This record gives sequence, C-alpha cells and structure tokens, in this order.
Amino acid sequence: NAGVTQTPKFQVLKTGQSMTLQCAQDMNHNSMYWYRQDPGMGLRLIYYSASEGTTDKGEVPNGYNVSRLNKREFSLRLESAAPSQTSVYFCASSERQGVASYEQYFGPGTRLTVT
Amino acid sequence: GESVGLHLPTLSVQEGDNSIINCAYSNSASDYFIWYKQESGKGPQFIIDIRSNMDKRQGQRVTVLLNKTVKHLSLQIAATQPGDSAVYFCAEIPNFGNEKLTFGTGTRLTIIP
Repeated sequence: NAGVTQTPKFQVLKTGQSMTLQCAQDMNHNSMYWYRQDPGMGLRLIYYSASEGTTDKGEVPNGYNVSRLNKREFSLRLESAAPSQTSVYFCASSERQGVASYEQYFGPGTRLTVT
Repeated sequence: GESVGLHLPTLSVQEGDNSIINCAYSNSASDYFIWYKQESGKGPQFIIDIRSNMDKRQGQRVTVLLNKTVKHLSLQIAATQPGDSAVYFCAEIPNFGNEKLTFGTGTRLTIIP
C-alpha cells in the first residue's frame, strides 16, 4: 500500500515548455487534489476532483489544466511554464469518513523550477 | 477574502517541555479544522482534527482546542521530542459539504535538545 505517489520528484523547465505532473493513489479514494506550496507559505489549492470524471477550480487555477484519468490517477499539466510557477506541487486524496473526517493524504511532492 | 492565519512563524521549545501552536481564523462559519505536520522535504501529515461543535479533542500527546468566540485554534504537544521538529499548519473547511481545505501559512517548531 503506497498511499499517494507523485512523479517526477524534481523537474527543471525553461519558460514556455510544457509538462505533466502525475499522481496516483491506491486507497480507493474518490476525492483528489493538486496544491502548490511556495516558500514561507501554506498550501494553495489549484484544482480538485470530487470523483472520476469531475474537476473543479481551486484558489489558483490559472496556467494549469487537470485530468482525472480514472479513480486512481489525477494529473496536472502546465501548458506553457512561467517562472511564477516555480514551486513545490503536492497531490492529495481523501475519502469522507461519514461526517466525521476530511483527512487528506498527501504525496511526497514534486519540486519544479522554471528558468 | 476569508483566511486562516498563524500568530507566530517560529517557535523553539526545550525537549521534554510542552509546546503550544496557535492559529486564528476569520470565517466564523467554518465547520471543521485540521492540524497537519510537515517535515522537511515531505508532504503534510494529518495530526488531529476537530469539528466546530467541539471545543477540545485529544490524541496521542496532542490536544486541539477551539475557541469559537475569538475564532482561535491551538495545538498543544506534550513532552516534545526531537521528532516533533517540523512546520505545523492549521487548515479549515469553510462548510462541511465542501471538501476544499484552506491552509494557514505555518509555524516552524524547533525542539532544542
């Protein structure tokens, strides 16, 4: 049981290049999330998927697209990378435990640098 | 807009002492709060949560207190250990039907041996 996995761990892009960050979870969770974390700041939600086939914008969606490929996988795409997208990206998943808990399980993160 | 903030960005505590990390929130309608721990180079890990109909919840060595009157949340860690050194985030869900978390900026806790 690996939990939430992310690839790659590190990536350097030039401005204007594109790439896709991959995320997979093996906990059979319905909800998945993409966050970015900038130095000295908390996590900010980019996109969210409540179930397979649905996605919703978060706080900072501009410059990103997502695909909920199936229940396990949720990918984040940067179509034309900009230096402002230099950040650490975290994927998370959750399954609401009745009305008691909204615990989200996080992956190890992808460190992205755009030059 | 609504936000979740923290009073102190850093906190140093002697090993074995208790530590208290504070968090202020501005949305009086928030339903649910979580504390996460993030060690260097890792993703956040769930510590403890509390619903707005409670004012205290205890876990193993941790206690979360919620004061809705002043919109304040605290995390108490008892008998701190070196492994407690990390950044601690509070997060809120503005309404219980919505699973989107809003995170605070974090407090770095350093345990002094």
